[in-house]
Amino acid sequence: KAGVTQTPRYLIKTRGQQVTLSCSPISGHRSVSWYQQTPGQGLQFLFEYFSETQRNKGNFPGRFSGRQFSNSRSEMNVSTLELGDSALYLCASSLAAPGHFPPLYGYTFGSGTRLTVV
Amino acid sequence: AQSVSQHNHHVILSEAASLELGCNYSYGGTVNLFWYVQYPGQHLQLLLKYFSGDPLVKGIKGFEAEFIKSKFSFNLRKPSVQWSDTAEYFCAVMIYNQGGKLIFGQGTELSVKP
Repeated sequence: KAGVTQTPRYLIKTRGQQVTLSCSPISGHRSVSWYQQTPGQGLQFLFEYFSETQRNKGNFPGRFSGRQFSNSRSEMNVSTLELGDSALYLCASSLAAPGHFPPLYGYTFGSGTRLTVV
Repeated sequence: AQSVSQHNHHVILSEAASLELGCNYSYGGTVNLFWYVQYPGQHLQLLLKYFSGDPLVKGIKGFEAEFIKSKFSFNLRKPSVQWSDTAEYFCAVMIYNQGGKLIFGQGTELSVKP
């Protein structure tokens, strides 16, 4: 059974550019969440999608956006990159469904995309 | 705002020593609790989770955690650590009315000396 796949694994971008990261959840998982991991702030929640709808959003500026497709794959986009956006971006998938708490099996994380902004 | 606090940033132990990592959260309602581990160069892996029922939860690799509701705590324990347990450990909380959002602690780096 394939895990959560994130592409690309590494990315170097210049300040001011935009970037799109991709996440393919485990087959059958319809919930996808995104997290930012940095040494200073730790793991912080970005947003969560279920059935192409954003269910929850963290405290990040509007430059951070995401979407989910009908096949549950998700992308996140960061526009006008800043040096502080350098981080490991993690995607997690779950069997969670709206109104279903708790999620059946917790969350499975991908290996992440390491974004460096120069 | 809800938060998760892990008491130790870095713990150094010798092999066979016992481990206890502290985790406290600040929320008075219904929560789910998780411990994740991140081995060097690897992705986050679920060690164990608490949803309801027996507050003593057993996970993989000999780890266990105890949920003490009155203390808002979910401490991780292992009776005898191995060198291969060297990793970073994260406690996380999911709050009932906030969908699938996980709130993570800052992590505890565990170094086990052979």
